[in-house]
Amino acid sequence: DTGVSQNPRHKITKRGQNVTFRCDPISEHNRLYWYRQTLGQGPEFLTYFQNEAQLEKSRLLSDRFSAERPKGSFSTLEIQRTEQGDSAMYLCASSFDYKTQYFGPGTRLLVL
Amino acid sequence: TQLLEQSPQFLSIQEGENLTVYCNSSSVFSSLQWYRQEPGEGPVLLVTVVTGGEVKKLKRLTFQFGDARKDSSLHITAAQPGDTGLYLCASRTSGTYKYIFGTGTRLKVLA
Repeated sequence: DTGVSQNPRHKITKRGQNVTFRCDPISEHNRLYWYRQTLGQGPEFLTYFQNEAQLEKSRLLSDRFSAERPKGSFSTLEIQRTEQGDSAMYLCASSFDYKTQYFGPGTRLLVL
Repeated sequence: TQLLEQSPQFLSIQEGENLTVYCNSSSVFSSLQWYRQEPGEGPVLLVTVVTGGEVKKLKRLTFQFGDARKDSSLHITAAQPGDTGLYLCASRTSGTYKYIFGTGTRLKVLA
């Protein structure tokens, strides 16, 4: 059994560049979440997919952020024109019900 | 705005001691989850509590959901260095798919 996987694990980019992260959920899970976590804080909700439909999106997500989940399987999170304030750990979680979430190891982004 | 407040923020104890951490809110939650997170990794789900007054045990960890479903506690008996980590509580906000997390309790157990 493989858990939630995320790639890459680490990304260093220059300000203004675009980055894309991938999340592969547990295969039978139809729910998928993206979170952002900065040092010393708990994860902050970014967006939620049920199958391929994006059902909720945080106001924290500016128009530079976009997420997709084609065919209800893997998901991608893209950040355009990165800023230093985007430096954080980006976490993906999947689940089959509203009571549980299984997190991936995260992608740590550093914007120089 | 629903918030989850965790206390204490930091806790450093000796191996073998007992401890309790708390998660409180002014809102009622349908369910509440507890996670442990280690540096550089994603949170790992420990337990979900659903019913007011519910108590769940996971080896040396005891989780309790308040009767009014506004608060929860995590008690660790005879803490071990392997218990070191960031303990987070989380819940889904009413009427949405959004989950909120507390700021966490950072526990360090010294050998």
